[in-house]
Amino acid sequence: QVQLQESGPGLVKPSQTLSLTCSVSGVSVSSGSYYWSWIRQPAGKGLEWIGRVYISESPTYNPSLKSRVTILIGTSNNQFSLKLSSVTAADTAIYYCARSGATTSYDFWGQGLLVTVSS
Amino acid sequence: DIQMTQSPSSLSASIGDRVSITCRASQSISSYLNWYQQKPGKAPNLLIHSTSSLQSGVPSRFSGSGFGTDFTLTISSLQPEDFATYYCQQSYNTPHSFGQGTNLEIK
Repeated sequence: QVQLQESGPGLVKPSQTLSLTCSVSGVSVSSGSYYWSWIRQPAGKGLEWIGRVYISESPTYNPSLKSRVTILIGTSNNQFSLKLSSVTAADTAIYYCARSGATTSYDFWGQGLLVTVSS
Repeated sequence: DIQMTQSPSSLSASIGDRVSITCRASQSISSYLNWYQQKPGKAPNLLIHSTSSLQSGVPSRFSGSGFGTDFTLTISSLQPEDFATYYCQQSYNTPHSFGQGTNLEIK
């Protein structure tokens, strides 16, 4: 059974870097069959696509966040990560990691991790 | 970027009703349209991919249709567990974008 689990600090200070990890089980992130993505959702609002990574391609980012985002894949521990620099209160959200495959739909999601940006 | 617009934003309906939610893309996305259901405190759950393909395990009362810029999610007979928020999402190109959501409430 495929499972994804986000981890990282739930509180980040303004101007600092948000760093999250998604641990994947049941499938290898380096299998070459799937994209691995980050999506976020501010409280009570809609979903925003942050970006995705694939084992043999450069990551793709949302242009609205591109200057601040880095998504990396870690094959040795079957994880992928998200770094978002220079955070502000507007980056406060639930952050989800998710998998997409040939259909390009998101068929498996982590449970989500609330990250609050506050001093 | 492709903008996705859902209507209505909220909808009140009764058990057994047939309901439809529409999603419009700002440009043609062929059949690259997916639908998700989200319940409070939970991650979104994929219902339908590629406009009309039912994800494994999803009840057959859910169906999808459309092509190009206009798409519809239909629930043929509402059940208590269907009251939730629904999102459309285009995967035609990146950045993948979502509709603003439709909150389906009990009348």
